[in-house]
Amino acid sequence: EVQLVESGGNLVQPGRSLRLSCAASGLTFDDYAMHWVRQAPGKGLEWVSGISWNGGDLGYADSVRGRFTISRDNARNSLYLQMDGLKTEDTAFYYCTKQYRGIRSGYSHLGLDAFDIWGQGTLVTVSS
Amino acid sequence: QSALTQPASVSGSPGQSITISCTGTSSDVGAYKPVSWYQQNPGKAPKLVIYEVTKRPSGVSNRFSGSKSGNTASLTISGLQAEDEADYYCCSYAGSNTVLFGGGTKLTVL
Repeated sequence: EVQLVESGGNLVQPGRSLRLSCAASGLTFDDYAMHWVRQAPGKGLEWVSGISWNGGDLGYADSVRGRFTISRDNARNSLYLQMDGLKTEDTAFYYCTKQYRGIRSGYSHLGLDAFDIWGQGTLVTVSS
Repeated sequence: QSALTQPASVSGSPGQSITISCTGTSSDVGAYKPVSWYQQNPGKAPKLVIYEVTKRPSGVSNRFSGSKSGNTASLTISGLQAEDEADYYCCSYAGSNTVLFGGGTKLTVL
């Protein structure tokens, strides 16, 4: 069974940093592009960032570009999101998700596919 | 990067069909094939129900269908059932390695 498990969410003060992790199991991790999507309590989904299978291509939403950094460690089957300069509006559940098809199926382009597996989310609260 | 536009809410009675629209621009929905739709129940992670505009993943009911015309994509649910009550989100590639979601639509089964 394919599983994505996020961790690292916490209560943090504005301006501080936090690092989220996503541990993947049950799949060939380095086959797939991976993404972070967030959802503020009671609000809609917002794509945050994505990374290609080998880390060569990155993408960020305007709202986090320059503050957040996505990375991955294929040897550890893990995805990360380094969040610096946190703002109160960054408060949300953060979901890790994988693109539906991978490079072995010919789908290598970051963002050009749906998201089929999602983690349970980890809550980040930014407040003084 | 503006969110794709969806109606805030739609409703229908059991057995009826409903359609949820998702309007973007010629730089996202109108430009790319990978429009997808997600169903989200309260307190749960989203679930993929439509990908590449019209395709259904294995295990998703054939009561769910998708289409696109110009800059607007649509999700239709036929034979509405109580279990379909949820929030629905559209999603599109927006170029330059970025992705956009719609604002979400709450479906109420009357």
